[in-house]
Amino acid sequence: GQQLNQSPQSMFIQEGEDVSMNCTSSSIFNTWLWYKQDPGEGPVLLIALYKAGELTSNGRLTAQFGITRKDSFLNISASIPSDVGIYFCAGPGTGRRALTFGSGTRLQVQP
Amino acid sequence: EADIYQTPRYLVIGTGKKITLECSQTMGHDKMYWYQQDPGMELHLIHYSYGVNSTEKGDLSSESTVSRIRTEHFPLTLESARPSHTSQYLCASTQGYEQYFGPGTRLTVT
Repeated sequence: GQQLNQSPQSMFIQEGEDVSMNCTSSSIFNTWLWYKQDPGEGPVLLIALYKAGELTSNGRLTAQFGITRKDSFLNISASIPSDVGIYFCAGPGTGRRALTFGSGTRLQVQP
Repeated sequence: EADIYQTPRYLVIGTGKKITLECSQTMGHDKMYWYQQDPGMELHLIHYSYGVNSTEKGDLSSESTVSRIRTEHFPLTLESARPSHTSQYLCASTQGYEQYFGPGTRLTVT
């Protein structure tokens, strides 16, 4: 089945720093999604990408659909304490399933 | 904005009890999903449905069962809860590829 490798597994940064994380797939995707999950809550959709090379922003977040269609990147600029959480990438699942999820990047921000 | 609801948010029960976790969505989405997630870990698909009277098992084997009698409602049932069922259960529905999650039910079986 399809596999998503997400890195890094965790990050500990200072408030104000920029953050980058990425996700790679074993197969070509036509869609990439990025989610954030706060502790004890469900994941919330941040950005959806539908076209190779697409660069989309949502406030301080910017995501890119890699040109090879096998990877995607999420950047957070000027991090703040409320950015703390787990960030998941996702792409189309196999067969009739909706999505395959990466293993997540845990972000901690030191005020 | 998606509207998907789960109840209860937290549940602590004893071994052997039967429980039902509720999930409802008001968007009219045909596709709905249940995931199991341990704290800070990845999501594991345990059930999904493509519409009324359609249910299938996901990637992770689960002793739970689901039903889909109405489009908006996708409850999950454990006939006899065990401590190994302790986890967070997340419900989701899909518009295209964009999957929207409920807040989750944190289940603890003592």
